[in-house]
Amino acid sequence: DTEVTQTPKHLVMGMTNKKSLKCEQHMGHRAMYWYKQKAKKPPELMFVYSYEKLSINESVPSRFSPECPNSSLLNLHLHALQPEDSALYLCASSKKQGLATEAFFGQGTRLTVV
Amino acid sequence: SQQGEEDPQALSIQEGENATMNCSYKTSINNLQWYRQNSGRGLVHLILIRSNEREKHSGRLRVTLDTSKKSSSLLITASRAADTASYFCATDGEYGNKLVFGAGTILRVKS
Repeated sequence: DTEVTQTPKHLVMGMTNKKSLKCEQHMGHRAMYWYKQKAKKPPELMFVYSYEKLSINESVPSRFSPECPNSSLLNLHLHALQPEDSALYLCASSKKQGLATEAFFGQGTRLTVV
Repeated sequence: SQQGEEDPQALSIQEGENATMNCSYKTSINNLQWYRQNSGRGLVHLILIRSNEREKHSGRLRVTLDTSKKSSSLLITASRAADTASYFCATDGEYGNKLVFGAGTILRVKS
């Protein structure tokens, strides 16, 4: 199984809502990543987890809260988002942080904040 | 923060032609990777080249790396309509602990 599964595929939420994005992999990878991608732009790194511990936070606003409950799961909790947070949110995993090997990406969650 | 810049931003070619995309980066690297993205969905890994390698091949793909110029190129030979996608280079960042993407090239292959 070489898949990274993200749910939901699409999400529309209001600025006062709380929602969560989920990501799952069963490849035994110990590094997991959240990226944000705006239209016609490259993915921008948000968070890196290594061995279930937060390793990198790229100065992401606190309205985005990551969580890694176990080595297979990665969540991104969303609260009080702004319309400019609308984007494609991508999850990825790799054998370990440092990326001497390839990263596997999920299909993303397309988030719209209204 | 983006590390790589790509050139051209967009490329349109006929099926059967070759497509060349270039990538420049700013800091030293351990490896450089190329990814493809179809229609704004997930990215697919294409090829990885290490800093001590100069050229690598995979099927119709050829990647070169010039660490002295901090640049890489991706050549797709005998392009097909299915190659239409965005292509991104990615480096492992200044400290080798993350994957940082360049601006990307949008390739359109016309049949």
